[in-house]
Amino acid sequence: GESVGLHLPTLSVQEGDNSIINCAYSNSASDYFIWYKQESGKGPQFIIDIRSNMDKRQGQRVTVLLNKTVKHLSLQIAATQPGDSAVYFCAEEANNLFFGTGTRLTVIP
Amino acid sequence: GAGVSQSPSNKVTEKGKDVELRCDPISGHTALYWYRQSLGQGLEFLIYFQGNSAPDKSGLPSDRFSAERTGGSVSTLTIQRTQQEDSAVYLCASREGAGDEKLFFGSGTQLSVL
Repeated sequence: GESVGLHLPTLSVQEGDNSIINCAYSNSASDYFIWYKQESGKGPQFIIDIRSNMDKRQGQRVTVLLNKTVKHLSLQIAATQPGDSAVYFCAEEANNLFFGTGTRLTVIP
Repeated sequence: GAGVSQSPSNKVTEKGKDVELRCDPISGHTALYWYRQSLGQGLEFLIYFQGNSAPDKSGLPSDRFSAERTGGSVSTLTIQRTQQEDSAVYLCASREGAGDEKLFFGSGTQLSVL
């Protein structure tokens, strides 16, 4: 769950560089994971998902890595663009779908 | 195609008043979720409807909060006797099945309690 009162973790990257956003999940029974992107004033937008029987999945410019041993999920964005600036959330699902606190990505032109 | 629709997009109310927030999920989606997002925070789970099953209300923060889903489609989140700490964006999401599928989110209702 969220930690009330803490600021969002932030990540700043230069345009064109690769970004890695990390997420630690809590429930070892979680078998489905999703990454969402949320731009200011909008609802979260689906990026990519992965099931627990996989450790890597690739999409367009994005890759999700899952390490079940340490309950860690990461989102890699290749050749980051200004339009990638947003807050990124991971979500885990066992019997319900819970979201992490989020990371704010800022792309420097 | 039509996505998840929420109304109103903004709601300003006075402390102590009741409010109703509406969510129209994507047609045919059996699962519907409500989340709350305070400024600069993550998404806090409130309630989950799945088909005709009893809803999972475990995330509702107090008995002032309730939600209904009529006819397996439209959902209404009601907050009674609103408090200033209820100010947040309330997000609705739906998906086709019971799990292991992506959620589609609406744009949310920004609730401000004065």
